Amino acid sequence: DIQMTQSPSSLSASVGGRVSVTCRASQDISNSLAWYQQTPGKAPKLLVYAASRLESGVPSRFSGSGSGTDFTLTINSLQPEDFASYYCQQYYSTPETFGQGTKLEIK
Amino acid sequence: QGRLVQSGAEVKKPGASVKVSCKASGYTFTRHYMHWIRQAPGQGLEWMGIINLSGGATSYAQKFQDRLSMTRDTSASTVYMELSSLKSEDTAVYYCARKNNAFDIWGQGTKVTVSS
Repeated sequence: DIQMTQSPSSLSASVGGRVSVTCRASQDISNSLAWYQQTPGKAPKLLVYAASRLESGVPSRFSGSGSGTDFTLTINSLQPEDFASYYCQQYYSTPETFGQGTKLEIK
Repeated sequence: QGRLVQSGAEVKKPGASVKVSCKASGYTFTRHYMHWIRQAPGQGLEWMGIINLSGGATSYAQKFQDRLSMTRDTSASTVYMELSSLKSEDTAVYYCARKNNAFDIWGQGTKVTVSS
């Protein structure tokens, strides 16, 4: 199985600020990497697929980068609705594994 | 655009089985694979398995191999996930999710509580 190591597990930031979350795969997954946002009590929402492609309707302040084993999700100009949990996921091979998650809190 | 609507919350005793449904609408049902993912309280996301909605072939995560079954009813655009021999550790929210590159559409989740 491919292991996905996500960091940090939590971070705090201010409205208007910028944050980055990283995800490392235990083997080369090319660009088969997605990022999801989840708020309490809700299903995850797709933000980015193919490592850097923004899902339709997702604000441009979200961006993804990387390929191979190292990936980054960056959020610019943080808005109040961005404070949530974020997960990376590889879909290069089954089982399709997720990172442990990153909880973004307001400073 | 598409929508997935899941069945309601369930409470089961250890050793019992649970069957959760996921009804799709707004897109061609058989065009995409469906996956099931679960989330234990306060925990992360765990992939359980996949079903090919066209042919019905399935693939399950190793830990669920002997007690998980996924089926579909193409006439009703509905997918089913049945988990047997339930344990307290199976208490979680279960999600169906459409695969289109990544998981672009998710059901609202079904809370399954396993308690004696």
